[in-house]
Parts: sequence; C-alpha cells; structure tokens
Amino acid sequence: GEQVEQLPSILRVQEGSSASINCSYEDSASNYFPWYKQEPGENPKLIIDIRSNMERKQIQELIVLLDKKAKRFSLHITDTQPGDSAMYFCAARGGTNTNKVVFGTGTRLQVLP
Amino acid sequence: EAAVTQSPRNKVTVTGGNVTLSCRQTNSHNYMYWYRQDTGHGLRLIHYSYGAGNLQIGDVPDGYKATRTTQEDFFLLLELASPSQTSLYFCASRRQNYAEQFFGPGTRLTVL
Repeated sequence: GEQVEQLPSILRVQEGSSASINCSYEDSASNYFPWYKQEPGENPKLIIDIRSNMERKQIQELIVLLDKKAKRFSLHITDTQPGDSAMYFCAARGGTNTNKVVFGTGTRLQVLP
Repeated sequence: EAAVTQSPRNKVTVTGGNVTLSCRQTNSHNYMYWYRQDTGHGLRLIHYSYGAGNLQIGDVPDGYKATRTTQEDFFLLLELASPSQTSLYFCASRRQNYAEQFFGPGTRLTVL
C-alpha cells in the first residue's frame, strides 16, 4: 500500500520567514494530497489540499507544490506568524483505494519571535 | 463545520482490560475512521467504515475490533488492552464523494 515520508520532523523558523515541509509517496497512482494542521491539544484540521491534475495551489500564505514525476509534494508557509506554530501532517490518497489516506509522520513547526 | 464527538476523552485501564471508545457524528457522513496518533508515527488508520454494519480493515488493525452500529456511531473495541495500545485515538468522518475528513477531539488512552 501507499507509504508517505515527511521531513523534517522538527522545524524552527524566525517569525516573518518562510517554512517548507516536504513529503514523498510511493504509489504513482495517488491522486489527492491533503495537508492537516494540528494545534497543541486540538484535533487535526484540513488547511489545504491539491489533486494530481494540478502542480501548484495557493491559499493566502499557504502554497502547495506537487511533482508527480518525482512523487513529491511540499507545503510552503510564507511570512510565518506565531499562530502557524503547530504540528503539520501531509497525506496521500492511493489510486487503488480512494476511501482512505495515508498520513506522514508529522512536522512540528515552531515560529520563533 | 461537521460535528464529531468522542467519549471518553481520557481513559486509564490495566493490561488485559476491556475498553470501548465511542465516536458519534451528526452530519450524515458515510465514512468513519479510527486512527491512533503516536510520536514519530503520525496518524495511523486502525479501522474504517462506509456505513452501518460495514467494517474495513485499516493499516494497524491488530488488537482492535470495531463496530458501526448506525450511520452516526462507530465504536473501537480493545478486548485485551496492552501497554503498546497507550495512545491518542482520533475518530474522523467524511462525506461520500468529498475528500475532507473531520476529526473528533480525541481520546487519550493509557494502559498500565
């Protein structure tokens, strides 16, 4: 089945700078790639997603890039703020079973003042 | 926003104990999921269901049973709990033909 690798596990950035999280997947038929944000003590919430028919998607300060050839996708947060400090999970939905996604291991982002 | 509730929110049991975690969603979503969250492993799928009476095996099912009694209710059963099942458990639901999953608040389970 699908497997997703996520790096780095911990990311510290200065407030106002950019943060990047990278994920890779194995199933070339995977067609949907969501990103979830989990604040301390809270549940994960979807923040942005991209489908395989797109290479780039942006929602405000969030940018997702998808490289299907390399089987990699990434989340970029521009102009980070303290409220961006959280755990971030990437995920991929495989091509054979579209009823579930496989999550990466998570990145803890700390935005330093 | 979709409403997913879980109970209990915290549970402590002993090795060999019997535990039932409950999840309810009130948005008529077809799909419901049980995950466990552990540091270094992210969110791992235990079981899921696409409707009342249906059960699908997830990626880490060993030691867990599940039952979907109604469209709203999905239960996770640990019949012989072990310390390795100490974890944070999340339930999630999803509407058919939509990709977004909505997560409940989580249940922290400790097996002594």
